[in-house]
Amino acid sequence: NAGVTQTPKFQVLKTGQSMTLQCAQDMNHEYMSWYRQDPGMGLRLIHYSVGAGITDQGEVPNGYNVSRSTTEDFPLRLLSAAPSQTSVYFCASSYNGLGLSGELFFGEGSRLTVL
Amino acid sequence: ELKVEQNPLFLSMQEGKNYTIYCNYSTTSDRLYWYRQDPGKSLESLFVLLSNGAVKQEGRLMASLDTKARLSTLHITAAVHDLSATYFCAGAPITSGTYKYIFGTGTRLKVLA
Repeated sequence: NAGVTQTPKFQVLKTGQSMTLQCAQDMNHEYMSWYRQDPGMGLRLIHYSVGAGITDQGEVPNGYNVSRSTTEDFPLRLLSAAPSQTSVYFCASSYNGLGLSGELFFGEGSRLTVL
Repeated sequence: ELKVEQNPLFLSMQEGKNYTIYCNYSTTSDRLYWYRQDPGKSLESLFVLLSNGAVKQEGRLMASLDTKARLSTLHITAAVHDLSATYFCAGAPITSGTYKYIFGTGTRLKVLA
């Protein structure tokens, strides 16, 4: 029972490099999202998606790109990494329909360091 | 835009004591969630509060929601060391026809033996 799977778990980048954090879920959830977690800042929403082909910005979208070509996958792209993007990134998904509990299911997290 | 504030940010308490974590939110939120995070781990769902007056209990934890006061509480009864973790609340207002989950900064709880 995989749930939400994130890869890689750890990554070190140099400033200016690009990379993609992968997120996949096998629960047929329409809603998927990316958060970053920084000390003292809680979790901040980067981007989210309510279904294939539909994405929207969260609280801190700058420097990140997303796309949703399938229900299962929601990759997060860093186009030109900056030290300020050093963080732990979490992918989360849920059933998002009205009348449902809508609780989020989280992946294990990806720790990114930008030098 | 919804803002979610938790207090306290840090809480150190003795085993056996009771305490309450507060979660205030700035605008209407249709539902409120509580999550637990152990150090270096992911988040797991504790409670889903879907309406005004909702109360949920699991073991030594009880969560409640007052939508009129825009306040949710997480009450800890007779704390034990295993409850040491960071607790997050999250609001979920409907934005453009879908829920958008906004988290508080978290409360780091340490239960001392």
